[in-house]
Amino acid sequence: DVQLMESGGGLVQPGGSLRLSCAASGFTFNIYSMSWVRQAPGKGLEWVANINQLSDKKIYVDSVKGRFTISRDNAKNSLYLQMNSLRVEDTAVYYCARNHNGWSWGQGTLVTVSS
Amino acid sequence: SYELTQPPSVSVSPGQTARITCSGDGLPKQYAYWYQQKPGQAPVLVIYKDTERPSGIPDRFSGSTSGTKVTLTISGVQAEDEADYYCQSVDSSGGYVFGIGTKVTVL
Repeated sequence: DVQLMESGGGLVQPGGSLRLSCAASGFTFNIYSMSWVRQAPGKGLEWVANINQLSDKKIYVDSVKGRFTISRDNAKNSLYLQMNSLRVEDTAVYYCARNHNGWSWGQGTLVTVSS
Repeated sequence: SYELTQPPSVSVSPGQTARITCSGDGLPKQYAYWYQQKPGQAPVLVIYKDTERPSGIPDRFSGSTSGTKVTLTISGVQAEDEADYYCQSVDSSGGYVFGIGTKVTVL
């Protein structure tokens, strides 16, 4: 079974940084592209970033370009999201997802940006 | 920017059929995917590549497509189908987009 476990969320002040991790198991991690998706409280799903299998193609939603960086370590079966210059509007549950014939999702980690 | 348009809400009585539409100019060229999300839970894939149903998803869930519109149909709706449903596709730059979500209420 596909298992994705996010971690690293928490409370951070505006302008601060946070690094999210996603530990993958139950599948061959290095043959799938991966994504981060977020959901603000009471709102819908918003795709944030995608990375391909070899990390040579990364795509971001416009609102996080230049602030967030997606990366992966295939040897560790792990996906990451480095978030800098955080804003109040980045407050959300962040999910990692495996991209293949539709997405499989983790349970998410909550990021709260507040002073 | 590319948008997928869904109705914000659909209400249906138990045993009836719920239809949720999703419209987008790119849908004739890109596949659509549908996710079910219940409160406090992660989304779950219910339809992929417009019409395909993953293993483990009840056959009362089906997908169809016509031009710039895709439709998720839930036949014989059950109380447990009450949830938010999101359509998803790919935009022209290779990124991804979700619809706003449709809240299905079982009366």
